[in-house]
Amino acid sequence: EVQLLESGGGLVQPGGSLRLSCAASGFIFSNYAMAWVRQAPGEGLGWVSAISGSGGSTYYADSVKGRFTISRDSSKNTLSLQMNSLKAEDTAIYYCAKVNAAPGRSSRIDYWGQGTLVTVSS
Amino acid sequence: QSVLTQPPSASGTPGQRVTISCSGSSSNIAANNVNWYQQLLGTAPKLLIYGNNQRPSGVPDRFSGSKSGTSASLAISGLQSEDEADYYCAAWDDSLNGAVFGGGTQLTVL
Repeated sequence: EVQLLESGGGLVQPGGSLRLSCAASGFIFSNYAMAWVRQAPGEGLGWVSAISGSGGSTYYADSVKGRFTISRDSSKNTLSLQMNSLKAEDTAIYYCAKVNAAPGRSSRIDYWGQGTLVTVSS
Repeated sequence: QSVLTQPPSASGTPGQRVTISCSGSSSNIAANNVNWYQQLLGTAPKLLIYGNNQRPSGVPDRFSGSKSGTSASLAISGLQSEDEADYYCAAWDDSLNGAVFGGGTQLTVL
């Protein structure tokens, strides 16, 4: 059974940093791309970032480019998102997601974690 | 402002057929596969339709997807009360080199 368990969310001041982690199990982690998707309170889904199975390719939404860094550790089956220079508009539930194909034409998220809440406020 | 455009709301009575549209452009829907996600209140999203019209195992055949040019649609036939949820379309965007979502459609079963 695929399981994705996020951690690391919390309250942080504007301009601060936070690191999210996602512990993955139930599948061969290194075979699949992974992604982060966020959802601001009462709003829709927003794609944040993705990383290939090997970790060699990374992708970012324009809104987070240069501030967020996605990474993975296949020895620990862990996905991470380092978030720097946080803004109030980054406040959201952040979902860890398993991607069924390499990022691109045929990719789809087939499993989602339960999410971790990040609140950016002074 | 989402890259993919969906109606904010839709509604129907039990047993009815409803459709939800998703409008995009040549760099996303026209060029790549469309996926649909269902999000029940207070829960994580769930994959409903992938590859424009494919259903994952366990998804009832009441749900179907289609695509034509720069638009896609999700159809739900035999509407049931448990179908009340938010529905999102998504696709890869070649210009942005990233995935994009629609703004979501809140479906109400009257």
